[in-house]
Amino acid sequence: LAKTTQPISMDSYEGQEVNITCSHNNIATNDYITWYQQFPSQGPRFIIQGYKTKVTNEVASLFIPADRKSSTLSLPRVSLSDTAVYYCLVLMFSGGYNKLIFGAGTRLAVHP
Amino acid sequence: GAGVSQSPSNKVTEKGKDVELRCDPISGHTALYWYRQSLGQGLEFLIYFQGNSAPDKSGLPSDRFSAERTGGSVSTLTIQRTQQEDSAVYLCASSLADLRGYTFGSGTRLTVV
Repeated sequence: LAKTTQPISMDSYEGQEVNITCSHNNIATNDYITWYQQFPSQGPRFIIQGYKTKVTNEVASLFIPADRKSSTLSLPRVSLSDTAVYYCLVLMFSGGYNKLIFGAGTRLAVHP
Repeated sequence: GAGVSQSPSNKVTEKGKDVELRCDPISGHTALYWYRQSLGQGLEFLIYFQGNSAPDKSGLPSDRFSAERTGGSVSTLTIQRTQQEDSAVYLCASSLADLRGYTFGSGTRLTVV
């Protein structure tokens, strides 16, 4: 399983764009990059997943460069409710067996 | 159901007692996972069930921990002779057998006193 490295914590202010970068230097050909969000006292929630280039949904964008050794989760115009822990994971597509290993994540604090 | 349901939401038990934690996955989800999360920490993988395959028990911390999944649906995590270090939130998740995301329950907060 590819190891991921991301900042322990980040601070931002309401209305700003937040970019959280994750490095995964030993990512394999069949691996996908997946991000989860966890609020206090809740289980993690799937945010976005991608393989290469850019993926966008109603919550976030995910930017993946050509070498795929890193990825950046972009949250546009954050609000106080975006304060959470964000986990970057690398998921190997193996025809059904997908065991997610969570690291420590990035603790994002959004300030007024 | 609409989501993953876990019960109880909170459990306080005395050291040395056995506890059972229940997880009802989303209907039709073939994969089911148990994790635990200590206060302020990340998620620790415990066990994984996929269809009729043998479960991946590689994350169970000791032989006091066991889990079963009956009829490919409901799962029970059992902790025997609980210790104070077992205190944590136990999270269950289910998914389809593909790359779509896991859906987590809200967890069971276990406190061993």
